[in-house]
Amino acid sequence: GAGVSQSPSNKVTEKGKDVELRCDPISGHTALYWYRQSLGQGLEFLIYFQGNSAPDKSGLPSDRFSAERTGGSVSTLTIQRTQQEDSAVYLCASRRTGTGHNEQFFGPGTRLTVL
Amino acid sequence: KQEVTQIPAALSVPEGENLVLNCSFTDSAIYNLQWFRQDPGKGLTSLLLIQSSQREQTSGRLNASLDKSSGRSTLYIAASQPGDSATYLCAAYSSDYKLSFGAGTTVTVRA
Repeated sequence: GAGVSQSPSNKVTEKGKDVELRCDPISGHTALYWYRQSLGQGLEFLIYFQGNSAPDKSGLPSDRFSAERTGGSVSTLTIQRTQQEDSAVYLCASRRTGTGHNEQFFGPGTRLTVL
Repeated sequence: KQEVTQIPAALSVPEGENLVLNCSFTDSAIYNLQWFRQDPGKGLTSLLLIQSSQREQTSGRLNASLDKSSGRSTLYIAASQPGDSATYLCAAYSSDYKLSFGAGTTVTVRA
């Protein structure tokens, strides 16, 4: 079956512009996570969606970052007024919830470069 | 907050040697622990997932152990090959299944 997909695979933008990154989770997976991998920072949690519950936004680094998940499936991570320090690989993961379903499955990531 | 540490940061070994990668975590109340592989410029490939009730998992030449009481996990790779060269990441699951990652160990296997 299809895995987690993300688009675009690469995005180059100018400082100050807004960007949208998309994640398509595995069908039937109700939990969705966004992570960021920056040089020198490692992989860090950004935001977590679980079904219809309010998302856990505790990892978002600033109010320029937001995310939504429509219809319990596709998610979009939006970064407004991008800064050079936003340059990173943004990874999405999904998980089927329920007893015994523990593993997150990762997409290939979107490499964002802010000039 | 869960802190995950991986030692060493980098490792270079000749082909055929066994690899031992260490991971430690500060909060022993983890749910699961997962090891990933990442090749340069690529995404994450899951290697092994150890459930909280398990002490180890094995897949081919890979074996991972988990000792929650001491806050440690170890990934063993037997008879290393040049194709094993990559960065290996350890990640601990919290109760809501968020992952806390270590910084990784970059492995080079010399032919």
